Amino acid sequence: NAGVTQTPKFRILKIGQSMTLQCTQDMNHNYMYWYRQDPGMGLKLIYYSVGAGITDKGEVPNGYNVSRSTTEDFPLRLELAAPSQTSVYFCASSYSGGANTGELFFGEGSRLTVL
Amino acid sequence: GENVEQHPSTLSVQEGDSAVIKCTYSDSASNYFPWYKQELGKGPQLIIDIRSNVGEKKDQRIAVTLNKTAKHFSLHITETQPEDSAVYFCAASIGGGGTALIFGKGTTLSVSS
Repeated sequence: NAGVTQTPKFRILKIGQSMTLQCTQDMNHNYMYWYRQDPGMGLKLIYYSVGAGITDKGEVPNGYNVSRSTTEDFPLRLELAAPSQTSVYFCASSYSGGANTGELFFGEGSRLTVL
Repeated sequence: GENVEQHPSTLSVQEGDSAVIKCTYSDSASNYFPWYKQELGKGPQLIIDIRSNVGEKKDQRIAVTLNKTAKHFSLHITETQPEDSAVYFCAASIGGGGTALIFGKGTTLSVSS
């Protein structure tokens, strides 16, 4: 099993450029999440999805967009990249959520630098 | 909004000592409290979790305690080993029916031999 796969692992963007971080999981999990990790700041939730066609904002959604057309894929779109979006981005999935929130399985992360 | 405070931010212990990391949460409706371990260059991995109907849970050298009244929960690692060196995150579910987790800022644990 591949688990949660993120691409690319590293990317450098210029201010104002756009890009999409790809995330796919092969565990048939309904719940998927995007977090960003900044040094000393822990993990901040950007967006999450409880199933195909359903997405919702997390703690820090500004500057990002998501879509969930299939169970497997949950891409994160950055429009008009800004230096404040320099971070490590983690995609995660879980089998259950809500009152029965269970283990999150994380990808290995995508390191994004905006210059 | 919901918040999870984690202390200390760094912790250095000698091999064989115990390590304790503490967290407090703000949302009294939170009912799920996991702990994740992150090794360098990797994504976080679940090491232990506890639900609100339980006060303590153990798994070999690690244990978690929960005090719902005080909104505190703690991670205890006994007989620490160098391979325990990593960043540890606590988290709390967003509300009783919350779908996602709020994470603390992390604790960097260093175990020296």
